[in-house]
Amino acid sequence: DAGVIQSPRHEVTEMGQEVTLRCKPISGHNSLFWYRQTMMRGLELLIYFNNNVPIDDSGMPEDRFSAKMPNASFSTLKIQPSEPRDSAVYFCASNSLRGLNYGYTFGSGTRLTVV
Amino acid sequence: GEDVEQSLFLSVREGDSSVINCTYTDSSSTYLYWYKQEPGAGLQLLTYIFSNMDMKQDQRLTVLLNKKDKHLSLRIADTQTGDSAIYFCAESKRFQKLVFGTGTRLLVSP
Repeated sequence: DAGVIQSPRHEVTEMGQEVTLRCKPISGHNSLFWYRQTMMRGLELLIYFNNNVPIDDSGMPEDRFSAKMPNASFSTLKIQPSEPRDSAVYFCASNSLRGLNYGYTFGSGTRLTVV
Repeated sequence: GEDVEQSLFLSVREGDSSVINCTYTDSSSTYLYWYKQEPGAGLQLLTYIFSNMDMKQDQRLTVLLNKKDKHLSLRIADTQTGDSAIYFCAESKRFQKLVFGTGTRLLVSP
């Protein structure tokens, strides 16, 4: 199992540009989470999906952020336009709604720097 | 609401035991987790415990849960320099989001 795969690993962009972060969950997992990690705010949940349906997006900072999960094997987090305060590490995690595995598996993260 | 708190820093000597503590506020939490994060890396699940248990042991790791006091601890026996990392406590209800603590930075000196 390749685990949760995120791309890109690093992204440097200029303020005002659109940024798209990508995530491939573990095959068979049907719950997907986007987290953001900063020194000031720690790990914050942005949004999560169950069976490709957004369940809780209350952590999405503002309208500049949007997330989609068009199918069970792919999700995107888009920031448009990006701002320097969006600089953070963005993590994707997946979990299964079935079976006895209760652990959430995290990807390696995307380090975003907005200059 | 949900809130998870941890002390920020712990320093131990190699070979000693480490105990990392966590308190949480949501009494309806079903699962409690410990994650480890090494510099520049993602979060690695170390162990989890159901809220109806009070102890779980997994090799060098022992998790203790005091549900009455909403207190969770992680004990690492025979701590090694490779255990130096940030340790996050987290709680969740089934099928719902993980709520993380602030993380405890563990420094193991030779």
